[in-house]
Amino acid sequence: AQKITQTQPGMFVQEKEAVTLDCTYDTSDPSYGLFWYKQPSSGEMIFLIYQGSYDQQNATEGRYSLNFQKARKSANLVISASQLGDSAMYFCAMRNDRTGNQFYFGTGTSLTVIP
Amino acid sequence: DAGITQSPRHKVTETGTPVTLRCHQTENHRYMYWYRQDPGHGLRLIHYSYGVKDTDKGEVSDGYSVSRSKTEDFLLTLESATSSQTSVYFCAISFGLAGHQETQYFGPGTRLLVL
Repeated sequence: AQKITQTQPGMFVQEKEAVTLDCTYDTSDPSYGLFWYKQPSSGEMIFLIYQGSYDQQNATEGRYSLNFQKARKSANLVISASQLGDSAMYFCAMRNDRTGNQFYFGTGTSLTVIP
Repeated sequence: DAGITQSPRHKVTETGTPVTLRCHQTENHRYMYWYRQDPGHGLRLIHYSYGVKDTDKGEVSDGYSVSRSKTEDFLLTLESATSSQTSVYFCAISFGLAGHQETQYFGPGTRLLVL
């Protein structure tokens, strides 16, 4: 079964500091994609960043980067220079050949940025 | 923003009554999904559709049915609502490209309370 694990229910970070949100995944398929989404208190789901299993480099999108360690099956999200607006729930998700167009989500991490 | 709307946005109903939630897209995307979001569970797939009249079950499909008679509309029906179906329901769409890099785009969500 596909599984995404986010072990940090809640995290705190000081404004302007960097923070890492953990995500581990379980799949036997060699080809897959990993995604991170942000859900602010207003409720919408916002796509942040994508990492493919065959990508040689870690994905980056502005202040977001994905620390991809394939052998450890981890895909941690790193947010640099945290801002108050980064306070939100963050979800890791996976999609692979066997699931086709289905996505599997983790339980999320609540991030609070402290001024 | 992807053109996805959900209706109603909020609904209170009583146990045993039928409820239909509507997802409408203007993007002509092939795939449409219904998720429920509950604390501690993240997003869980209920049903999805890969074309008009083509649907399949997700992880938590019991008690739910879906229909897709037009590309733009995907309906989720609770035939006889139960309190365990109190949740936030999200619709999502994706174009259906080959490979893993395509993300899903989410609607604003529907808050359903079953008394």
